Order: sequence, then structure tokens, then C-alpha cells
Amino acid sequence: AQSVTQPDIHITVSEGASLELRCNYSYGATPYLFWYVQSPGQGLQLLLKYFSGDTLVQGIKGFEAEFKRSQSSFNLRKPSVHWSDAAEYFCAVGPHYYSGAGSYQLTFGKGTKLSVIP
Amino acid sequence: GAVVSQHPSWVICKSGTSVKIECRSLDFQATTMFWYRQFPKQSLMLMATSNEGSKATYEQGVEKDKFLINHASLTLSTLTVTSAHPEDSSFYICSATGEAPYEQYFGPGTRLTVT
Repeated sequence: AQSVTQPDIHITVSEGASLELRCNYSYGATPYLFWYVQSPGQGLQLLLKYFSGDTLVQGIKGFEAEFKRSQSSFNLRKPSVHWSDAAEYFCAVGPHYYSGAGSYQLTFGKGTKLSVIP
Repeated sequence: GAVVSQHPSWVICKSGTSVKIECRSLDFQATTMFWYRQFPKQSLMLMATSNEGSKATYEQGVEKDKFLINHASLTLSTLTVTSAHPEDSSFYICSATGEAPYEQYFGPGTRLTVT
């Protein structure tokens, strides 16, 4: 069964500092990979996704993530954090193909809460 | 584009009553909608998957008779929590997929409090 591990429950960084959030997955094949962000009391917003091709993907709000097959990782990075980036971040994986079974389900990690010190 | 709305954003109800939560795709046709439950400081737990015009597929451990899901059209799915109890208090989030089945667009969530 697929699983997603986000080893850091809570990370605190100073505004302007760089950020890396870790995500490791367990999957039978190369999955589709996603990073979502959730502000308090809100739904999830897609930051970026990886399906194939260039292993470094760019997303919204200045975020990027790198897929490393050998490490089964898809870490999220940002060179300079802004106070507005404080939120919960979720990594998710899904099948590499559409099985046609009627739905495409994502498996989410437990999330990493990011706090930003002004 | 790809906006999903939920209504209400928060609701308080008394124990024993039923509550209906709506999930709408505003600018696309949602072939599939998902309902999640999120406990405080935890990840999303998939409750069920619904396709328009079909019965919902519930995840193991989710009571079908308690959480009624109806996907009446390509833009609307509803979750009804029947005979709600305080343990049903939670944050409920829906998502929808359109032409690209891999991409889920999430609603803003509904905070349910049962007193």
C-alpha cells in the first residue's frame, strides 16, 4: 500500500530564511506527486505537482520541489520565506495512471506546520 | 478557474439533528467528488468518493447510513450527517476533479460543531 511520510511535524523559520520541507513516499511505481498548502480554517491549495519530465518543478508563490527517484523523496523548497507562508503543508501521492476504475485517489502525508518568525 | 465552494462554512447543530453540507464546482463539471474529514492538527481522511449519478463509494470504517452522500449533478454533491453527535464534530472538506482526474480542487471546508 502506498504511504507518505512527512518527518517534520512542525518547523519554525525566520522570515527571509530558506525553507525545505521533507516528503518521502512508498509506492509500487513512480507516482504522481503533489504539494498542497492549507491556511487555518481553509481548504487545500495546490502548490505544485510532478507527473513526469524535469524532476525540478516550479509552483506558485515561489515554491519548488525536486523529485528524487533514488530517495523516494519530493521535498519542497523556497529560497526566502515570507510571513504569509505560515500554514500547514501536505505532500500527497497518487497513481501514475488513471485506472479507469471511476476515481483517482490521493494519499496524504500527515502534514508539516510552518511557523515564520518576523 | 477550477473553483470549488462549500456551504455552509460553519454550522452548529444540536445532537440528534441532521446537517447537510453542499459542495459545488463553480466553473467546471466535476466528474468525481471526494469528501474528507480532518481532525484538529491531523491530515485529511478520505470518507467517500462519488461520481455523478452513481452511489458513493465509502472508505472502510465510514458509516454509510450516517454520512449520506448524493452527487445529483456534475456541479453539486451533498454530504448529510444524520443524527449528528458530538463525536461527529470536525472539519469536512470536499474536492472535485474535472477533465484531469489527477488534479483535485478543494473546497474551503465546513466546520461542524455538534452540541
